[in-house]
Amino acid sequence: DAGVIQSPRHEVTEMGQEVTLRCKPISGHNSLFWYRQTMMRGLELLIYFNNNVPIDDSGMPEDRFSAKMPNASFSTLKIQPSEPRDSAVYFCASSPSGAGNEQFFGPGTRLTVL
Amino acid sequence: GDSVTQMEGPVTLSEEAFLTINCTYTATGYPSLFWYVQYPGEGLQLLLKATKADDKGSNKGFEATYRKETTSFHLEKGSVQVSDSAVYFCALSDRGSGTYKYIFGTGTRLKVLA
Repeated sequence: DAGVIQSPRHEVTEMGQEVTLRCKPISGHNSLFWYRQTMMRGLELLIYFNNNVPIDDSGMPEDRFSAKMPNASFSTLKIQPSEPRDSAVYFCASSPSGAGNEQFFGPGTRLTVL
Repeated sequence: GDSVTQMEGPVTLSEEAFLTINCTYTATGYPSLFWYVQYPGEGLQLLLKATKADDKGSNKGFEATYRKETTSFHLEKGSVQVSDSAVYFCALSDRGSGTYKYIFGTGTRLKVLA
């Protein structure tokens, strides 16, 4: 099993540019989570999907952030326009539905906005 | 709302010392409890879990017992190794309130010295 796949692994961009992060969850998992991790704020849940439907997006910081899950095997997190304070490591995780199940994390995308 | 509180780090220990990382929680339902570990440059990975009161999760010499009476899930290891140096996250998933959501603690950094 390939695990959760994220791309790119590293992204460096300039302020104002659009950034798209991609995630392929583990096959058969029907919950998908996007997190952001920084030294200052720790690990923050941005949004989670169940069966491709956004269930809770209360963690999305502002309208510049959007996330989609067009099918069970693909999700994107888009930032437009990007700002330096968006610099962080973004993790995608997937899980079978059910509170007792663990989340499987991808390796993360390290985003640097100059 | 639900929350997880864990001790602040960093925790610095000598090799073979005893480790305790405290974690307490508040939840409206009947949560499952987890400990995740994050090694440098990687995503989080499950260390152990417990799904009901008095359950003990264990893995790689680490243990934690689900204590409903004290709402705690403290992580322990009898003899730490340098390779245990990482950040440890306590988490809960609440299945009793009709939602399925993970809550992570802020993480505790452990450094083990040879």
